[in-house]
Amino acid sequence: GNSVTQMEGPVTLSEEAFLTINCTYTATGYPSLFWYVQYPGEGLQLLLKATKADDKGSNKGFEATYRKETTSFHLEKGSVQVSDSAVYFCALILNYGGSQGNLIFGKGTKLSVKP
Amino acid sequence: KAGVTQTPRYLIKTRGQQVTLSCSPISGHRSVSWYQQTPGQGLQFLFEYFSETQRNKGNFPGRFSGRQFSNSRSEMNVSTLELGDSALYLCASSLTSGSVADTQYFGPGTRLTVL
Repeated sequence: GNSVTQMEGPVTLSEEAFLTINCTYTATGYPSLFWYVQYPGEGLQLLLKATKADDKGSNKGFEATYRKETTSFHLEKGSVQVSDSAVYFCALILNYGGSQGNLIFGKGTKLSVKP
Repeated sequence: KAGVTQTPRYLIKTRGQQVTLSCSPISGHRSVSWYQQTPGQGLQFLFEYFSETQRNKGNFPGRFSGRQFSNSRSEMNVSTLELGDSALYLCASSLTSGSVADTQYFGPGTRLTVL
């Protein structure tokens, strides 16, 4: 089946540290890939996306590259801030000949950044 | 432009009752999807509506139902509530249902507690 696997949390980093959250996927077709972020007590916010192989999504210093050969979409940031503390979700959506399916999410990775 | 709004934000119900949650999409968006978020199961897709028609449905029992109105606002209903229905219910809207490039934008969610 179609699924997303992301690294287990929680991840605790010091401010200005480098962040990597691993995400791999299994899909029967050609998915679009997303990272969403959820701050405490809030809904999901789109962080970045990539719709085809080798695309790089970027936003607010975060970036991820769609790697078809390794079926991965790892999230990276060069220097994290306390305000980046949140839960990060990797997700995919399958392309059904032009129709949009539903988002399939990973379990989420909780990031805590200490000053 | 206003984001996705969900009402109410918090609900407390008892087993056996029914509940209706409301979602207003971003202006101009015609597709509304619903997701359930629990600590154990993570984020799971419930259903999607477009132009007042259910286009896609997740693996949930028939106690979960929804509808969409001509102004694209959507409601979901859960009948005969069970303790396991306690969750954060998230609504997401997108411009259309037919474009794989469309991004789903999420509301803040409705926190349902079943006692």
